[in-house]
Amino acid sequence: GQSLEQPSEVTAVEGAIVQINCTYQTSGFYGLSWYQQHDGGAPTFLSYNALDGLEETGRFSSFLSRSDSYGYLLLQELQMKDSASYFCAVYGGSQGNLIFGKGTKLSVKP
Amino acid sequence: EAGVAQSPRYKIIEKRQSVAFWCNPISGHATLYWYQQILGQGPKLLIQFQNNGVVDDSQLPKDRFSAERLKGVDSTLKIQPAKLEDSAVYLCASSLLAGGPLQTQYFGPGTRLLVL
Repeated sequence: GQSLEQPSEVTAVEGAIVQINCTYQTSGFYGLSWYQQHDGGAPTFLSYNALDGLEETGRFSSFLSRSDSYGYLLLQELQMKDSASYFCAVYGGSQGNLIFGKGTKLSVKP
Repeated sequence: EAGVAQSPRYKIIEKRQSVAFWCNPISGHATLYWYQQILGQGPKLLIQFQNNGVVDDSQLPKDRFSAERLKGVDSTLKIQPAKLEDSAVYLCASSLLAGGPLQTQYFGPGTRLLVL
């Protein structure tokens, strides 16, 4: 079967750095993605890692270790607008479809 | 570029009633997905279409759920009859080419369904 584990909630202050971890178990693995979802909004794509290492896009970075079945999303210089839920999702299974974790609710405080 | 459109945005029905959701993907996107997102959980894929053919419907409860994409563009998801546990947000997404890890999925705003 497939499973993804990520913390349910994280709280941080404006300007800080926060790391959201994700561990996964899946039959067939093609890559790890991160999505952001504001309350009542649509999930929006943040990043995709197929190979080990760090990918940086502005204030957000994503890391993958395939040997450890582990990845993380790093958010720097936090802003109030970063308050949202963050989902890790693996492309896996027999069809290579997206399988989402339960999400981490990030609250950024002044 | 217009995003994925969905309607209605909200729907309240009684259990055992029927309901239908509509999705119009981004223009030119071949692949369309329907996801179910229960409160506090991540989206779960229900069905994937490539053009007007079904690629994966392994997690679609086919005794009550059905979906179609007749002309390879917009799509309809139907629930008949609805159960209390169907209360969720139904998200539609699309990607340019065939599904899989090289294709970013773009999500619509979803339809929030409450079954009483």
